[in-house]
Amino acid sequence: EAGVAQSPRYKIIEKRQSVAFWCNPISGHATLYWYQQILGQGPKLLIQFQNNGVVDDSQLPKDRFSAERLKGVDSTLKIQPAKLEDSAVYLCASSLNSEVSYEQYFGPGTRLTVT
Amino acid sequence: ILNVEQSPQSLHVQEGDSTNFTCSFPSSNFYALHWYRWETAKSPEALFVMTLNGDEKKKGRISATLNTKEGYSYLYIKGSQPEDSATYLCAFNTGNQFYFGTGTSLTVIP
Repeated sequence: EAGVAQSPRYKIIEKRQSVAFWCNPISGHATLYWYQQILGQGPKLLIQFQNNGVVDDSQLPKDRFSAERLKGVDSTLKIQPAKLEDSAVYLCASSLNSEVSYEQYFGPGTRLTVT
Repeated sequence: ILNVEQSPQSLHVQEGDSTNFTCSFPSSNFYALHWYRWETAKSPEALFVMTLNGDEKKKGRISATLNTKEGYSYLYIKGSQPEDSATYLCAFNTGNQFYFGTGTSLTVIP
């Protein structure tokens, strides 16, 4: 079974530039999560999708971050414009459905550096 | 936002030593406690999901215990090997959301 795929794996941009990350969850997984992990902190949930609908985006900085999951499969996370404090690892995870007791399966993450 | 704490923040041990880490979490709104191992440049890998007070889980040389009444879980590694070097994350699951600790970074010195 293929795992959660993410790209790119690394990205370096200057502040005020835009960047987009892509995630392909495990086939058949209805729920998709984006997490932000800043160095020295634990992963923080940015947004949770159930199929193509948003379940929770309360911690997504909506003035600069956006995410979509148009067909209920792949998802993209965009930052526009980026700030220095956005430097972090962005993890995508998926699970079978929105019952959080189901295990979450993680991708390898995208490491973003904003200079 | 719930507070999940892990200690120590980092740990260096000699190959063959046994070691343990702690995850502390709120004693209310408990649904499950998850442990992950995260090696550099790889995906976090699920180790254990624990749901009942008193749960003990084991996978090879790694084991974990759970105390939901006092809000802590211990992860034990017996006879550490260099391949155990990783960050170990715990996540407190309320049934609606995961809250992650900051992780314990383990380095096993050959």
